[in-house]
Amino acid sequence: GENVEQHPSTLSVQEGDSAVIKCTYSDSASNYFPWYKQELGKRPQLIIDIRSNVGEKKDQRIAVTLNKTAKHFSLHITETQPEDSAVYFCASFRSGNTGKLIFGQGTTLQVKP
Amino acid sequence: SQTIHQWPATLVQPVGSPLSLECTVEGTSNPNLYWYRQAAGRGLQLLFYSVGIGQISSEVPQNLSASRPQDRQFILSSKKLLLSDSGFYLCAWSTTSQGEKLFFGSGTQLSVL
Repeated sequence: GENVEQHPSTLSVQEGDSAVIKCTYSDSASNYFPWYKQELGKRPQLIIDIRSNVGEKKDQRIAVTLNKTAKHFSLHITETQPEDSAVYFCASFRSGNTGKLIFGQGTTLQVKP
Repeated sequence: SQTIHQWPATLVQPVGSPLSLECTVEGTSNPNLYWYRQAAGRGLQLLFYSVGIGQISSEVPQNLSASRPQDRQFILSSKKLLLSDSGFYLCAWSTTSQGEKLFFGSGTQLSVL
């Protein structure tokens, strides 16, 4: 079945450094790739997304890149801050799939001050 | 604007007791509705989703059930809770036109003792 692999499971960086989280998906027909951020005890919230007709998208300090040929996409956070500490989930979606997002297992990011 | 309400926020239940978690969405009609579970430190597991009243799809066989008695109401139930049912339960909704964009409720932390 459809699957999304996410790496690493945990990531620790110093404040100001960059962080990169990578995901690989199995369904070549997937055409939408969101990233969610979940702070401890809170709900996941959409922070950025990309569609399959775009290779890169940026929003201030965060960016997402997509390589359709290799079926992988990545989240890049630059100039990390302590408030970036959270669990990040990637997901993939295929139109016509009755709205089911396939989530990765999550990455716990810790930004040390 | 659309809002999603989920309650209760926390719940402590003995093994073998029943469960009822409720979720309602405001500001939209005919949403897709979802129940996810998140075990401690784990990813998002899709339990049930619904594309309309009375239409429930189950993703994982278990002792939980879901119902959608009204267009914007989604209920998660169990007749007899197990220890393994403990976790963080999240309700979510998406529009049928943009099924890929999920909006999560604030979650219910369930502890089965």
